[in-house]
Amino acid sequence: AQTVTQSQPEMSVQEAETVTLSCTYDTSESDYYLFWYKQPPSRQMILVIRQEAYKQQNATENRFSVNFQKAAKSFSLKISDSQLGDAAMYFCAYRRGRGDDKIIFGKGTRLHILP
Amino acid sequence: DADVTQTPRNRITKTGKRIMLECSQTKGHDRMYWYRQDPGLGLRLIYYSFDVKDINKGEISDGYSVSRQAQAKFSLSLESAIPNQTALYFCATSDFIAGYNEQFFGPGTRLTVL
Repeated sequence: AQTVTQSQPEMSVQEAETVTLSCTYDTSESDYYLFWYKQPPSRQMILVIRQEAYKQQNATENRFSVNFQKAAKSFSLKISDSQLGDAAMYFCAYRRGRGDDKIIFGKGTRLHILP
Repeated sequence: DADVTQTPRNRITKTGKRIMLECSQTKGHDRMYWYRQDPGLGLRLIYYSFDVKDINKGEISDGYSVSRQAQAKFSLSLESAIPNQTALYFCATSDFIAGYNEQFFGPGTRLTVL
């Protein structure tokens, strides 16, 4: 069975600094997708970034980028120039590339931004 | 207007009561999902439906039932609510496209069972 592990329940970063959230996963599949979701205090689940396993290039969305290490099954999220609006719970998630599209979520990392 | 809506947004009920959470979407997606979020546990899949005639159990379906009344509506029922069903419930939708299909989440329903 696939699993997703986020080992950092909480993290803090100074505003304008860079922070990296860690995520590891376990799967025997070769074709899959990985995601980072953001959940601000509003409770809304917002897709931040996704990575296709077949792509070697790391995904980037503005200040958000990932470090995808397929062999190590690691998928970390880097937030550059942290802003107060980045304060939220962040979830790492996995989905198989074929068949059903159920998403498996990690337990989340709560990110605090210090002014 | 929101593409995925959930009603109610918040609900307090008592042990043993029957309760229904409703989800509607205007995205025209075939696939709909119900998730439960508990502190420290992330989101876990309760049920999912790929079309009106298709209902599938997820990771934690015990104590829950669902109904797909139409393509746009997917309801989650707790026949006899118990306190450990207190949680945040999310509905999500996705469209089937070969390859990647993003799931879009509703705003969530916070349910408290006393």
